[in-house]
Amino acid sequence: DIVMTQSPDSLAVSLGERATVNCKSSQSVLYSSSNKNYLAWYQQKPGQPPKLLIYWASTRESGVPDRFSGSGSGTDFTLTISNLQAEDVAVYYCQQYYSTPPTFGQGTKLDFK
Amino acid sequence: QLQLQESGPGLVKPSETLSLTCTVSGVSLSTSNNHYWGWIRQPPGKGLEWIGSIYYSGTTHYNPSLKSRVTISVDTSKNHFSLRLSSVTAADTAVYYCARHHPQSSSSGWSQGWFDPWGQGTLVTVSS
Repeated sequence: DIVMTQSPDSLAVSLGERATVNCKSSQSVLYSSSNKNYLAWYQQKPGQPPKLLIYWASTRESGVPDRFSGSGSGTDFTLTISNLQAEDVAVYYCQQYYSTPPTFGQGTKLDFK
Repeated sequence: QLQLQESGPGLVKPSETLSLTCTVSGVSLSTSNNHYWGWIRQPPGKGLEWIGSIYYSGTTHYNPSLKSRVTISVDTSKNHFSLRLSSVTAADTAVYYCARHHPQSSSSGWSQGWFDPWGQGTLVTVSS
């Protein structure tokens, strides 16, 4: 299985500032034939299911604010939340879908400073 | 609008079989030939674990870590799919989510893709 490791486990950011969540895979999730990275990001708020934010490492799901952006390639990826809003407090997960079984990072809890 | 809703017992005894159903509304499973449908679980306060998926034709994929205990089936006439997990222990206590999968071509054939949307989830506790 591909192991996904996120850092940090938690972070506190001030309103209006930028938050950065990192995700590292134990092997590359870049499919050379398509030149696509098989990586998604989710947001989970308390008592709710995860919500898809980004797929193909950088493609925002419809309706997701443009302050959420994804970047990276191969084994190292980043979710950036610019201009942090109150509703962004949540746990964020990365997920690889390069191989079966799909696997998730352990989650990064984002809170206000 | 596509919606998924999990249902089933919230309490299961150790060694017994956990059974859940995911009812899909807003789309017909029998014509959903671009998606898989599957299950993901989350132990209380912990991370996410993919359990398995099914195609409308009945083709299944399972997490090797659970494969010996898992069965996923589909009933297109009722527009729902189901999960059975046998010989449960306390370690199987979790919120169980159903979700639509977006499979993608990959180096090993087809990957499970990303998951969207998800059901609200149902907590299943394994306890005597």
